[in-house]
Formats: sequence, structure tokens, C-alpha cells
Amino acid sequence: GAGVSQSPRYKVTKRGQDVALRCDPISGHVSLYWYRQALGQGPEFLTYFNYEAQQDKSGLPNDRFSAERPEGSISTLTIQRTEQRDSAMYRCASSAKHPGLAGPDTQYFGPGTRLTVL
Amino acid sequence: EDKVVQSPLSLVVHEGDTVTLNCSYEVTNFRSLLWYKQEKKAPTFLFMLTSSGIEKKSGRLSSILDKKELSSILNITATQTGDSAIYLCAVEATNAGKSTFGDGTTLTVKP
Repeated sequence: GAGVSQSPRYKVTKRGQDVALRCDPISGHVSLYWYRQALGQGPEFLTYFNYEAQQDKSGLPNDRFSAERPEGSISTLTIQRTEQRDSAMYRCASSAKHPGLAGPDTQYFGPGTRLTVL
Repeated sequence: EDKVVQSPLSLVVHEGDTVTLNCSYEVTNFRSLLWYKQEKKAPTFLFMLTSSGIEKKSGRLSSILDKKELSSILNITATQTGDSAIYLCAVEATNAGKSTFGDGTTLTVKP
């Protein structure tokens, strides 16, 4: 596609429910990143993938959060047993270059999913 | 832990003014510093800086990196109301994959 897309754009759920957020990166992009952005703050790193391999999940807040990218393209961020503190904008970004290669690369961000947990 | 601090937190100017936004960082194995403009949707890429002292320019926007001072500035000349946005700074470390973002500077340009 032309850019990174995310769905749903808005999600309202009740506390205790599971939610799955989807990211469709730019076609052919190697790396995919998930961020969480609270109001008034910059994006906070959650996890990232190179192809289908999850390289770093150190930013995931706890074990209720998980992510996968089984075929190296679309990724899903799942939050189990949601809590009110999970409410935030969840952003996905993709980049063309494998981070292990020399030289920087640019991440392109999706529009985000606004999650509200009641 | 990598850290990015932006200042000021917010700024209100009038059209035609020139603004300078600051970003300072602490990162192990610095690779690049990036500036983004965030309006209502996703952050959009402005500049990537890797070398000290080389100014990058795009229209009325310009940015420069100072690796000695571990900082960067973003300048916007002849500001317009369309420049109103949150400006985010991020740093990338070598082989780390992830970017660390600052909390942004909210710029408001009044007509």
C-alpha cells in the first residue's frame, strides 16, 4: 500500500476484555515497530520485528501485552485483560532497512489506534 | 537508558516569527537523530541527522546536529499557521532497532 495502515482506528472496550490491534506496514518493509503514545508525550517503544522475528520486546509493559508478525508482513499487538491504564494511542511504524545493516533508516508511522478502556 | 529531552515544551508565536526548537540526548552508540512533525495524524518525517555540523534544509525548515554537545536544533523561519504541530525528536542507537523519542515541543503559530 501507499503507507502504513492500522486498524481499527478507534477501539473502545471494557476493562478485562482482550483487544487485538492490527498493523499493515509498507509493502516490502523489513522492520516493524510498535509504540504507545500517551497524551502529551512522545511515542514509547514497545517492540519490534525484523521480518517475522521479534527482535526486542523490552518495551512491553507486562505479560498481558504480546505481538506477532507470523509472515513477516502484517503484525498484531494483543492486549489481554485490558485495564484502564492501557488507554493510549498505539502506533505502528515500518522501515525498509534491516537495523543491523550499516547506515540509518527512516521509520514511517501509521495513523495509530486510539484505545479507550472503560 | 537512552534519553531524549526537548525544549521548550510549548511555544506560541505569531506568523512570520522564527523559532528554534531544541533536542538533547543521551544514547549509547549513537547512530542518528530524527525530527518529526506530528499534527492530528501520524508523525511525519522531517530530517535525519547523522553527521555533526552539516545543516539539513527543506524550505523554511532547517536542522543541525552537534555531537559534541549531544544536541540538535530545528529552525523554522517565517512561520505560518500551518506549522502549528508537535515537533518530535528521536534518536536511534546502532543495531538497537528502536528509537527513543522526546515528549515533543508543541508549536502554535497565531495569525
